Amino acid sequence: QSALTQPASVSGSPGQSIAISCTGTNSDVGAYNYVSWYQQHPGKAPKLMIYDVSDRPSGVSNRFSGSKSGNTASLTISGLQAEDEADYFCSSYTSSTTLVFGGGTKLTVL
Amino acid sequence: QVQVVESGGGVVQPGRSLRLSCAASGFTFTSYAMHWVRQAPGKGMEWVAVISYDGSNKYYADSVKGRFTISRDNSKNTLHLQMNSLRAEDTALYYCAKDIVVVGVSTGPPRGFDPWGQGTLVIVSS
Repeated sequence: QSALTQPASVSGSPGQSIAISCTGTNSDVGAYNYVSWYQQHPGKAPKLMIYDVSDRPSGVSNRFSGSKSGNTASLTISGLQAEDEADYFCSSYTSSTTLVFGGGTKLTVL
Repeated sequence: QVQVVESGGGVVQPGRSLRLSCAASGFTFTSYAMHWVRQAPGKGMEWVAVISYDGSNKYYADSVKGRFTISRDNSKNTLHLQMNSLRAEDTALYYCAKDIVVVGVSTGPPRGFDPWGQGTLVIVSS
């Protein structure tokens, strides 16, 4: 199972909006609405930010939102804040009854 | 407080075995599937295995199939990963994670991770 494709890095200024893409195939991202997004600060455990493409767990800021079109899912962060600087990675359920991750994206807040 | 805590990592020679454990607390362990995920140094996350809430179903990544075995002890709220025939490429930080699907409440397959533990480091080296 090949990893999902994410940009290595994205950046934005405080207050701006950014989007991180996660591209898979019609056997994973395109086949199911089971894409999740995680935030990981250095040395910390990953944190669930979005599940099932666009659902937000309780406690996660509504500045984080998710969407999907075809084989590509996206995480959008609006009103960028310094604390959002972290690594972000996606995951998807697959037709092989397994899960697959994206390679991760480093978000820099300028 | 919902949490999972991994243990059992260490340095092991190629070809040898190691058993990881994950202690769960703060939630009804028997209502959730559980996962192992790993991250090799400088690399992205790799899903390793999942076990259903009752242990009846287990699925593995191709990279570990036939060498690793996931299991759970619901009487002790504990998850395990038995790793045999270890290779250098198995060197990674191994995370335990609870699935997001609540058995009997949510529908669909195991498909997300929340929360994650801090991980336990496995180094395979001679």
